[in-house]
Amino acid sequence: ETGVTQSPTHLIKTRGQQVTLRCSSQSGHNTVSWYQQALGQGPQFIFQYYREEENGRGNFPPRFSGLQFPNYSSELNVNALELDDSALYLCASSLLDTEAFFGQGTRLTVV
Amino acid sequence: AQSVTQLGSHVSVSEGALVLLRCNYSSSVPPYLFWYVQYPNQGLQLLLKYTTGATLVKGINGFEAEFKKSETSFHLTKPSAHMSDAAEYFCAVSERDDKIIFGKGTRLHILP
Repeated sequence: ETGVTQSPTHLIKTRGQQVTLRCSSQSGHNTVSWYQQALGQGPQFIFQYYREEENGRGNFPPRFSGLQFPNYSSELNVNALELDDSALYLCASSLLDTEAFFGQGTRLTVV
Repeated sequence: AQSVTQLGSHVSVSEGALVLLRCNYSSSVPPYLFWYVQYPNQGLQLLLKYTTGATLVKGINGFEAEFKKSETSFHLTKPSAHMSDAAEYFCAVSERDDKIIFGKGTRLHILP
């Protein structure tokens, strides 16, 4: 079975731009969760998608949005980028309420 | 609401010595508890988790953790540290398996 894959691995954007990060879930999984890990911090839950619907959201502003597709892959979109958005963004896939498996992450740098 | 506190952002132990990483949690419901490891420029790998049942949980790479409800603790231990154990360790709590609240992490340094 394939694992969780994220693309791109690294990304540099300018403040005010928009960015889209992608995640392919592990085969058979229908749930994707996104986390933001700032430098020196633990990951923070952004939101979760289950069967193409948002299924819970952490304390992040609306400029953080997401999508889940029929094949259960997912995108994280961030509008109006700020310097503090620089972080490692982690995607995790699972069956709902079961163990989550994490991807390697996308390192976003906002300059 | 749930939260996790990891005591010590950096811990150094000698190779072959006992590893002890401390974690306390807060939860209004019976928690799921996790320890994850993160190597540089890598994602998260699950070391072990507690859901219900036996309070002493054994994980990969010789690590184990004990759930102590009375102390709201879930400390991670390993009898003998190896150089390869040097990494960042995250304690985490959840109501279920997949919406996880992480601590700030403890960086483990292994001294030769």
